[in-house]
Amino acid sequence: DTGVSQDPRHKITKRGQNVTFRCDPISEHNRLYWYRQTLGQGPEFLTYFQNEAQLEKSRLLSDRFSAERPKGSFSTLEIQRTEQGDSAMYLCASSFAGLTYEQYFGPGTRLTVT
Amino acid sequence: AQSVTQLGSHVSVSEGALVLLRCNYSSSVPPYLFWYVQYPNQGLQLLLKYTTGATLVKGINGFEAEFKKSETSFHLTKPSAHMSDAAEYFCAVSERGNQGGKLIFGQGTELSVKP
Repeated sequence: DTGVSQDPRHKITKRGQNVTFRCDPISEHNRLYWYRQTLGQGPEFLTYFQNEAQLEKSRLLSDRFSAERPKGSFSTLEIQRTEQGDSAMYLCASSFAGLTYEQYFGPGTRLTVT
Repeated sequence: AQSVTQLGSHVSVSEGALVLLRCNYSSSVPPYLFWYVQYPNQGLQLLLKYTTGATLVKGINGFEAEFKKSETSFHLTKPSAHMSDAAEYFCAVSERGNQGGKLIFGQGTELSVKP
């Protein structure tokens, strides 16, 4: 069990560019979550999947954000036409629904939009 | 809607002193409750959780928390602080009945430990 991994760990991009982040959950976990954390704040929920199905999206998730989990394993989060307000830590977590209730977090991807 | 309030954005204690970090929640039904710790530039690590059963739960690194339904609280304590406890602590809730579901976090409390 290698835990939740995220790639890249850091991303610097210019305003208006598109970025994509990847999350690999713990292998037997069927749920995968995305959160966003800005400096000095607690993480805010963005979206989550159970297997391939995207079950909930936050109103924080504008049309510029899209997430996929095509085979029920890894997930990607894409931000189109980045804005400076998108600068944040993007956290991924996974859990096994029906067995336990806690979520295990990855190290996060820190996005800086210049 | 559920919400979490952590009283005190910054708590400072001396090494060896009691640690008390406060968390209150708002929910129509008692939720699942969690405490996570975050070290700089890292993800979150689960300290402990309450889902059902005994209301005093023990976690890693000597931390424990007590669920008090009447006070809608889930305060985190540790009898004796170590320098290594300095970090950001987050209280979180998730909806009971959805096998967990999304976490709603408090604003966090930064714990400093003085030698």
